[in-house]
Amino acid sequence: DGGITQSPKYLFRKEGQNVTLSCEQNLNHDAMYWYRQDPGQGLRLIYYSQIVNDFQKGDIAEGYSVSREKKESFPLTVTSAQKNPTAFYLCASSSEGNQPQHFGDGTRLSIL
Amino acid sequence: KQEVTQIPAALSVPEGENLVLNCSFTDSAIYNLQWFRQDPGKGLTSLLLIQSSQREQTSGRLNASLDKSSGRSTLYIAASQPGDSATYLCAVSGTDSWGKLQFGAGTQVVVTP
Repeated sequence: DGGITQSPKYLFRKEGQNVTLSCEQNLNHDAMYWYRQDPGQGLRLIYYSQIVNDFQKGDIAEGYSVSREKKESFPLTVTSAQKNPTAFYLCASSSEGNQPQHFGDGTRLSIL
Repeated sequence: KQEVTQIPAALSVPEGENLVLNCSFTDSAIYNLQWFRQDPGKGLTSLLLIQSSQREQTSGRLNASLDKSSGRSTLYIAASQPGDSATYLCAVSGTDSWGKLQFGAGTQVVVTP
């Protein structure tokens, strides 16, 4: 079945540590997105990529980095510069902009 | 900057009642509006997408309307079931934002047997 796989499901970060969240899709979609969700809030866009080897900052990119070296993969690194990283992170993809976005099941990141 | 609001934040109804969920947005220059469902600890499932030129969209027991000029969308769920319990989010895509979605905070729905 086609879909989006996020791993790990739960992740713990120590102070000063960078961590990387994985997102893989087999939908052959060009566009991929990373969102952050805090309790009781909607999703906020961190980064998005329209096509391989290209990505753009979203509304809350500070303290995060991404790469898009392969069409099917869009990993997100939460750096030590992100002072409040505890949140639920969701990855999505779409065939192109303004088409329905398909979501993975998320990664919950917590601070040790 | 586009702002999306969903009121109420939470809603509880007995099984069989119709659900009415509201979404409002401040900038009417939208490309489309989507409704999503989110189960606890899970990702989002797309329910309906309404293009800016459409007035409504239907899928089974779900019907979503769009009034772009007044900045409102309503999601109707007919004859609610306990399995409809979830959080429902709406999101809009602006005409100049290339698919970037602005989300509301969601309405948490509980359908009691």
